[in-house]
Amino acid sequence: DAKTTQPNSMESNEEEPVHLPCNHSTISGTDYIHWYRQLPSQGPEYVIHGLTSNVNNRMASLAIAEDRKSSTLILHRATLRDAAVYYCILRAPGLYSGGSNYKLTFGKGTLLTVNP
Amino acid sequence: ETGVTQTPRHLVMGMTNKKSLKCEQHLGHNAMYWYKQSAKKPLELMFVYNFKEQTENNSVPSRFSPECPNSSHLFLHLHTLQPEDSALYLCASSQDTDNYGYTFGSGTRLTVV
Repeated sequence: DAKTTQPNSMESNEEEPVHLPCNHSTISGTDYIHWYRQLPSQGPEYVIHGLTSNVNNRMASLAIAEDRKSSTLILHRATLRDAAVYYCILRAPGLYSGGSNYKLTFGKGTLLTVNP
Repeated sequence: ETGVTQTPRHLVMGMTNKKSLKCEQHLGHNAMYWYKQSAKKPLELMFVYNFKEQTENNSVPSRFSPECPNSSHLFLHLHTLQPEDSALYLCASSQDTDNYGYTFGSGTRLTVV
């Protein structure tokens, strides 16, 4: 599995934007970039994913570098409820897209602390 | 609620006991997964079911036995566990094993004494 590198921890202030970086220099051309987060005492929660273009949804934005070797998850206005571990995961095409390695493999992620 | 319900939320069992964890989803998903999350370790994929068929067994010891009677239900049967099996066991589902987001349950916190 292609690996990702994330900082162990980051700190932010409430109502300020947060940029969570992820390096994935060995990404292959067909790997999707997924982001999940895990709040304390809960299971992981899907945040966003993308392939080449930047993506926006109600939770966050995903900025993907032109060479795809890095990406950044952007929380536009952090709240206390955004304090969580954020995982950046590379995911190969699934079975129905002709791929065979569809597993979602989690690393250690980035622990985001949001200060009031 | 995420749409994936796991029961029980907490379980304490002795090493000689037999117990089962249950996972249920009514999201219309066809793929279901068991993950294990030990303290201070990344989530580990244990089993994958796609359309009720097991497609992945990630070298999990036989004291863990999964069962998927239909696409909405997934069980993890436990017997003769060890204290090091104490962990948070998470169930997830997705549309299929293709490139869709996973929906996770809140997990079962298992303690083996």
